[in-house]
Amino acid sequence: DQQVKQNSPSLSVQEGRISILNCDYTNSMFDYFLWYKKYPAEGPTFLISISSIKDKNEDGRFTVFLNKSAKHLSLHIVPSQPGDSAVYFCAASGGETSGSRLTFGEGTQLTVNP
Amino acid sequence: DGGITQSPKYLFRKEGQNVTLSCEQNLNHDAMYWYRQDPGQGLRLIYYSQIVNDFQKGDIAEGYSVSREKKESFPLTVTSAQKNPTAFYLCASSRLVGEQYFGPGTRLTVT
Repeated sequence: DQQVKQNSPSLSVQEGRISILNCDYTNSMFDYFLWYKKYPAEGPTFLISISSIKDKNEDGRFTVFLNKSAKHLSLHIVPSQPGDSAVYFCAASGGETSGSRLTFGEGTQLTVNP
Repeated sequence: DGGITQSPKYLFRKEGQNVTLSCEQNLNHDAMYWYRQDPGQGLRLIYYSQIVNDFQKGDIAEGYSVSREKKESFPLTVTSAQKNPTAFYLCASSRLVGEQYFGPGTRLTVT
């Protein structure tokens, strides 16, 4: 039962354009959502998060949008840079007993072409 | 300089041997986690601990064991019962609520 799904395994964009990474979830108890970036053979690094009481959170070039009715979130990167090329994971937590436990999606490989 | 350390970076073992992966954090986080990543897949939770001397199974705990005797340390033992132990193992820590911070990972190869 995949509660967090990233349906696009890969995405390729041109430098300077917008990258949009998508994530869907099924568990209505999730109330906190995060995006992580991962380079090969390294641990993921936290990028940005959003609570379910918001529908948008922005940090520099990164913006996360949350659509609770559709159980969908997206990460926008503007402008995209070659150094953004990495695997991006979305993650979610929530519910009475989950604490800080996160459920991760499968990841999307972003390639930004110069 | 706070962070999470995992050692070693690369580990090679013969089939049938148990192996223990180290994870230490000096962030004063209460919770610690172990994940496994296989090629082309996401992160799957093996075990987690939210307090010293207590831990819970994640989604793929079979063939693994952990201990949490100190707040700073959460070692993972990959036992000979784990059918496909070759993988990239990631340790993370967090406060009881909020984002997790990851270590650099250990690549385990079992032949």
